[in-house]
Amino acid sequence: DVKVTQSSRYLVKRTGEKVFLECVQDMDHENMFWYRQDPGLGLRLIYFSYDVKMKEKGDIPEGYSVSREKKERFSLILESASTNQTSMYLCASSLRAPQTQYFGPGTRLLVL
Amino acid sequence: GQQVMQIPQYQHVQEGEDFTTYCNSSTTLSNIQWYKQRPGGHPVFLIQLVKSGEVKKQKRLTFQFGEAKKNSSLHITATQTTDVGTYFCAVNSGGSNYKLTFGKGTLLTVNP
Repeated sequence: DVKVTQSSRYLVKRTGEKVFLECVQDMDHENMFWYRQDPGLGLRLIYFSYDVKMKEKGDIPEGYSVSREKKERFSLILESASTNQTSMYLCASSLRAPQTQYFGPGTRLLVL
Repeated sequence: GQQVMQIPQYQHVQEGEDFTTYCNSSTTLSNIQWYKQRPGGHPVFLIQLVKSGEVKKQKRLTFQFGEAKKNSSLHITATQTTDVGTYFCAVNSGGSNYKLTFGKGTLLTVNP
C-alpha cells in the first residue's frame, strides 16, 4: 500500500512565523502535490512537483513556496504565516500523470 | 483553468435510499476521477473513467461518464451508514496531465 505521511496532524503558529509542512511518500512516486481544503471552497492546488527540484505553481501559490530535494519528500513553506492561511493542508502523490493521487492524512494549521 | 460544477452540495438520505451526485463541465474532458473523503479523513481514490459512455460498478456504486465526456455521475444504491462522507470528482486542468481540479464535493449524510 502507498503510504503518504505528513509531519504533523495539528499545528498552531503565530502570524509572521515561518512554517514548514513536510510530506513523505514511500512508493517512489514521480509527482507530489500540496492542496489546501477549506469549507465551501473544496480542494485547491497550491504547488506540485513532477521531479526532484522541479516545481510548478498551482491555482493559489501566493504566500507559499515549496522544496523537493529528494524524490520522496515535498515540503510546503509559509514564509510569513497569516491568519488567512489557517486551513487543512493535504499532500498527495501519484506515480505518473494523470493517475490516481494518494493523499496523506492532512495537517490542520491554525495561525493566530 | 478547468472548471467543474458538482451538484448537489449536500444530500441527506434515509438508510436504504439511493443517492446520486453529478459533475458537469463546459468542455470535453480527457478523463474524470472520483474520490471519497470520510468525516475527519482524507480523500481516497475510488475510480477513473476515460472512455465516452463508460459505466463502471463497484458493489453498490455505479460510475458513469457521459457520451460527450462533459459530465459524470456517481450513483449509490441502497445507501448504508458507511457511505457517509464527501464525494469529489476531479478532472485534469489547464491542459496539464499533472494538475487536477476538484469539484467542491457532495456531502452525503445517512440517517440510520
